[in-house]
Parts: sequence; structure tokens; C-alpha cells
Amino acid sequence: EDKVVQSPLSLVVHEGDTVTLNCSYEVTNFRSLLWYKQEKKAPTFLFMLTSSGIEKKSGRLSSILDKKELFSILNITATQTGDSAIYLCAAAETGGYQKVTFGTGTKLQVIP
Amino acid sequence: SQTIHQWPATLVQPVGSPLSLECTVEGTSNPNLYWYRQAAGRGLQLLFYSVGIGQISSEVPQNLSASRPQDRQFILSSKKLLLSDSGFYLCAWSVLRPDPSSGNTIYFGEGSWLTVV
Repeated sequence: EDKVVQSPLSLVVHEGDTVTLNCSYEVTNFRSLLWYKQEKKAPTFLFMLTSSGIEKKSGRLSSILDKKELFSILNITATQTGDSAIYLCAAAETGGYQKVTFGTGTKLQVIP
Repeated sequence: SQTIHQWPATLVQPVGSPLSLECTVEGTSNPNLYWYRQAAGRGLQLLFYSVGIGQISSEVPQNLSASRPQDRQFILSSKKLLLSDSGFYLCAWSVLRPDPSSGNTIYFGEGSWLTVV
């Protein structure tokens, strides 16, 4: 059965801290690893990773994929209260309908 | 650019009543369409997906159904809601890219909060 596991389930940090969110996956026909940020509504897309070892970066957020170890991390540096959200990781597969399996998410709370 | 719209945003329905959530995508042709449900404190569960008009596949058995009457329209329905149907419902779309190295991303609508009372 396909699965995506995220850790930690939740964490609380202070503004300015750096956090690392973890995602491991086991899917049959892996194509890409996706990261989303979910505040109170729908998830918004952050990154798509298809190749190992190539870091994707957007401002204070960055992510990298290890296809050998079936693992990805999302880093957030100099955290701000606006980073408080649930971060979802998902593994997308090849195939006609592009099955996407989501993890349960990491709930990040950044306190002033 | 592509956009996805989903409605209604919130609804409160009594047990046993019918349900209809609608989703439309603009700016793309022949998208793959999905319905997900997110229960409180849990991850996203895929309910249905569709690769074309009239083509619906279900991932989990339930009292919900889906239909795709037009290329960019996806509808989630129920004839009789259960308390356990409460949750956050998300419509999403993606487009299959033939090059495997290009990856694929799904994009979500605004979501619909359903409370069954």
C-alpha cells in the first residue's frame, strides 16, 4: 500500500528559529514529491521535486529530495508567525490519473 | 492561467439530506480531476478521480458519488448524508505531462466545509 509519512506531527518554535520537516514515502511508481502549505483553507503549492540532490528554494523555504532513501525535507529559516500552518507532503505517481498520496501533515506553530 | 472554483464554501446539512458540491476548472483542457476529503486532524483522503468526461473511479467505498458531465466540471453528490460525511472537501486538478522528468502537480480549489448535523 502506498504511504507517505511525515514527522514530526507538530512542533512549536520561536520566531527566528530554523525548522526541518521530514517526509518519507513508499509508492509504486514514483514521479514527483510535492510540498504544500495549508492554513485555514485549501493547500497551496510550494515545491515539486523530481530529481535527487537538487535543492528547490523560495525565499526562506527550501526543499530537497533523496530518491535513493525515499525521503524529502522542507527547511524554513528565520521563521515568522506567518509560517504557522500545516505542511503537507505528497508523492505523485506516473500513470494516466496521476495518483497523489498525501501524508497527514506537520503542524507548525511559530510563536513571537 | 488556470483557475479552479469550488462551491459552496460552507454548508450545514441534516443527516439523511442530499448533497451536491460543484467544481469547475478554467484555462485548461482535459484535466484530471479529483475529490479529496480532509477530516479534522487527518490527512487528505482521495475519494474520486476522473481522467475524462463520464469517467469516474472511486478510491474508497462510501455513500458518496461523483460525476463529470463536462470536461471541466466535477460534481460530488450524496443521496443521504451521514454524520461521518462531515469534513473539508477539496476539488483538485492536474494535467498529465508526457515527460516523466517534468513531474506533475495538483492544484486545489478553495474547499467546502460540510457539517452534517
